[in-house]
Amino acid sequence: DAGVTQSPTHLIKTRGQHVTLRCSPISGHKSVSWYQQVLGQGPQFIFQYYEKEERGRGNFPDRFSARQFPNYSSELNVNALLLGDSALYLCASSRGTPGTYNEQFFGPGTRLTVL
Amino acid sequence: DQQVKQNSPSLSVQEGRISILNCDYTNSMFDYFLWYKKYPAEGPTFLISISSIKDKNEDGRFTVFLNKSAKHLSLHIVPSQPGDSAVYFCAASAIFSGGGADGLTFGKGTHLIIQP
Repeated sequence: DAGVTQSPTHLIKTRGQHVTLRCSPISGHKSVSWYQQVLGQGPQFIFQYYEKEERGRGNFPDRFSARQFPNYSSELNVNALLLGDSALYLCASSRGTPGTYNEQFFGPGTRLTVL
Repeated sequence: DQQVKQNSPSLSVQEGRISILNCDYTNSMFDYFLWYKKYPAEGPTFLISISSIKDKNEDGRFTVFLNKSAKHLSLHIVPSQPGDSAVYFCAASAIFSGGGADGLTFGKGTHLIIQP
């Protein structure tokens, strides 16, 4: 069974540009979450989507947005990039069953560098 | 404001001995706690979890202890093996009290080094 896949693996952008990161969840998983991991810190929750609806949002500015497609894959978009957006962006998928904790399986991440 | 704290950035333990990793939290809404292990260039891998209604959960060499009154949890690994060398993250969720979203709040991690 394929795990969570993310693309691209690495990305270099300049300040002010826009970036789109992609994630494909494990087959059968309906929920996708996005996390930002800055060097030396733990992952920080950005969004969770379940059945194409936003289920949760962390403390990130409106420059960050996401969506989930009918096949449950997801995109994270970041506008007007800042140097501080340089980080490892992790995607996690889970079954998303309401009312219980659903184990989250993480992808390898996309390393974004903003120059 | 850090809601999940891992105060030891690194820990060195001899092979075969017990490794104890500690984690403190401040948010009383957290009701589910997890430990993840991370190798370089890989995403975090789930290790073990505990619900707030329990005080101990064991899985092979790994045991997690939860002290709700102290808002403290710990991960015990015994015996420690060279393959356990990695960064360990403590994470918490307010799944049952937080409206259904199971977004995780992570600590900064502890780099565990197992010495031969």
